[in-house]
Amino acid sequence: EPEVTQTPSHQVTQMGQEVILRCVPISNHLYFYWYRQILGQKVEFLVSFYNNEISEKSEIFDDQFSVERPDGSNFTLKIRSTKLEDSAMYFCASSGGSHSYEQYFGPGTRLTVT
Amino acid sequence: QKEVEQDPGPLSVPEGAIVSLNCTYSNSAFQYFMWYRQYSRKGPELLMYTYSSGNKEDGRFTAQVDKSSKYISLFIRDSQPSDSATYLCASTGSARQLTFGSGTQLTVLP
Repeated sequence: EPEVTQTPSHQVTQMGQEVILRCVPISNHLYFYWYRQILGQKVEFLVSFYNNEISEKSEIFDDQFSVERPDGSNFTLKIRSTKLEDSAMYFCASSGGSHSYEQYFGPGTRLTVT
Repeated sequence: QKEVEQDPGPLSVPEGAIVSLNCTYSNSAFQYFMWYRQYSRKGPELLMYTYSSGNKEDGRFTAQVDKSSKYISLFIRDSQPSDSATYLCASTGSARQLTFGSGTQLTVLP
């Protein structure tokens, strides 16, 4: 069964450093997303991506964040200068064509900023 | 988009019980409704997807949406200890950004 994969599973970084979180969405999906979940809190939407551009972004997704689809399989989230409050689980998700709204999530990357 | 509110639980039931999990939402633009299961420190796993009002059944799981009252339900029949997890409701409109509830932690006791 196709699944979304994410690497690394756990990333520890120092405040102010740049991190790149990687995702491989389900192969025939067209829409890609990043969400985050701070420990004990709700899953929050960050950004959606379609046709090689951002389609929606939340207030959380400020200039410190960027997304990229560098090739036909990977989808990345970059945080330029990490803050302590960026510590969270980051989930990548994907969904199929224009009539498909079900989103399938990856296992997540736990980001710890020290 | 406005919040989705979910009964916080925790909920503890004996094996074999029928479980009812509920959410309400306030955004009339929401048309797509999902239930996810999440184990501790894992990614949400899609259980049920419903478009607009109505019922959908998949094995022991039934999802119900009542758009007139903005109420979303998930029923689990013959609950098993392996159903113990946190259950998340989520909704979206055409924008596709999912708005999640806070999750209900369910424990099914053997």
